[in-house]
Amino acid sequence: DIVLTQSPDSLAVSLGERATINCKSSQSVFFSSRNKDSLAWYQQKPGQPPKLLIYWASTRESGVPDRFSGSGSGTDFTLSISSLQAEDVAVYYCHQYSTIPLTFGGGTKVEIK
Amino acid sequence: QVQLQQSGPGLVKPSQTLSLTCAISGDSVSSNSATWNWIRQSPSRGLEWLGRTYYRSKWSNDYALSVKSRITVSPDTSENQFSLQLNSVTPEDTAVYFCARGDVNKRVLDYWGRGTLVTVSS
Repeated sequence: DIVLTQSPDSLAVSLGERATINCKSSQSVFFSSRNKDSLAWYQQKPGQPPKLLIYWASTRESGVPDRFSGSGSGTDFTLSISSLQAEDVAVYYCHQYSTIPLTFGGGTKVEIK
Repeated sequence: QVQLQQSGPGLVKPSQTLSLTCAISGDSVSSNSATWNWIRQSPSRGLEWLGRTYYRSKWSNDYALSVKSRITVSPDTSENQFSLQLNSVTPEDTAVYFCARGDVNKRVLDYWGRGTLVTVSS
């Protein structure tokens, strides 16, 4: 199974400042037939299902604010929130869909400082 | 707009079978462009993908090894829904269970049900 390790476990950021979350994969999630990395990011708020933010490592889902961006390739990926808003308080998960079983990172809790 | 509506009991006794259903609107369980997935979430195991069903000229399934001997994910084309059955449950199977659609173009889980808390207890 592909293991996804997120860091940090939690972070507190001031409103308007940048938040950066890292995700390291135990093996490459490159999907050769699409020439893309099969890595997604989700946001989850209490009592809600995960909400898709980013897929193919850097493609923003429709309707997601452009302050959310994804980067990285191979085994190292990053989710950035350029200017943290109050509504961004949540837990964020990375997810690989390159290989069955699908797997998720352990989550990073983002709070307001 | 795809919507997934989950139903099923919130309490199951140990050794019995957990059964949940996910009703689909805005798409078809028989679509060649989707997979239909079950994921669970607990404090001890985090988000754990359990299995999926999909149609590509015939029905197929994939399951996580951790539950492969106990799980069935099956489509119901007459009701446009799919279901999860997990046999011989223990308290470790207590979790919030989600159904989700996998989009074949994006290949990612893009639409999720709201989740069902299932507690395994006598």
